[in-house]
Amino acid sequence: NAGVTQTPKFRILKIGQSMTLQCTQDMNHNYMYWYRQDPGMGLKLIYYSVGAGITDKGEVPNGYNVSRSTTEDFPLRLELAAPSQTSVYFCASSGTSGGTDTQYFGPGTRLTVL
Amino acid sequence: RKEVEQDPGPFNVPEGATVAFNCTYSNSASQSFFWYRQDCRKEPKLLMSVYSSGNEDGRFTAQLNRASQYISLLIRDSKLSDSATYLCVVNGKADSWGKLQFGAGTQVVVTP
Repeated sequence: NAGVTQTPKFRILKIGQSMTLQCTQDMNHNYMYWYRQDPGMGLKLIYYSVGAGITDKGEVPNGYNVSRSTTEDFPLRLELAAPSQTSVYFCASSGTSGGTDTQYFGPGTRLTVL
Repeated sequence: RKEVEQDPGPFNVPEGATVAFNCTYSNSASQSFFWYRQDCRKEPKLLMSVYSSGNEDGRFTAQLNRASQYISLLIRDSKLSDSATYLCVVNGKADSWGKLQFGAGTQVVVTP
């Protein structure tokens, strides 16, 4: 099993550009999450999904969108990139509720917006 | 006030020594508690869950103090490979889903 994979690993965007961060898991997990991690801060939940076709906002959803058309994939879309979105983005998945079950993280995408 | 607070460190620990650190949480209704480990520029990985009665996993011991709303992690016989940032993670809500709240982490540096 590859676990949770994310692409790209690194990206530099100009202000106003858009991009999609890809996330795929091969563990047949229902729950998937997107977090961002800023220096010196804890991970913040952006969006989550409890199954294909179901998504909901987390703590910091502004400026992002997600979709969940399959169990495996959970892409994160950045529209009109801003410097405040410079961060490390982690995708995670869990088999049951994230509140009680282990979350498995992807290797992260390091995004810089200039 | 942050929902989960940790001393950022770094805790500089000689190899073979013991180190312990705490994490406080603000939501008294929190039900699940975890320690994750994060190596430099890597993804977090679950180190251990924290149970009400306290639990051990090899050289690692976790404790929960509900009355004072903190959890602790103790590392015995520290190894160089224990150098990492340790994230305190708490289930912030009492509902069945429970969005996790992550602390900013405590950095541990084990020196030869």
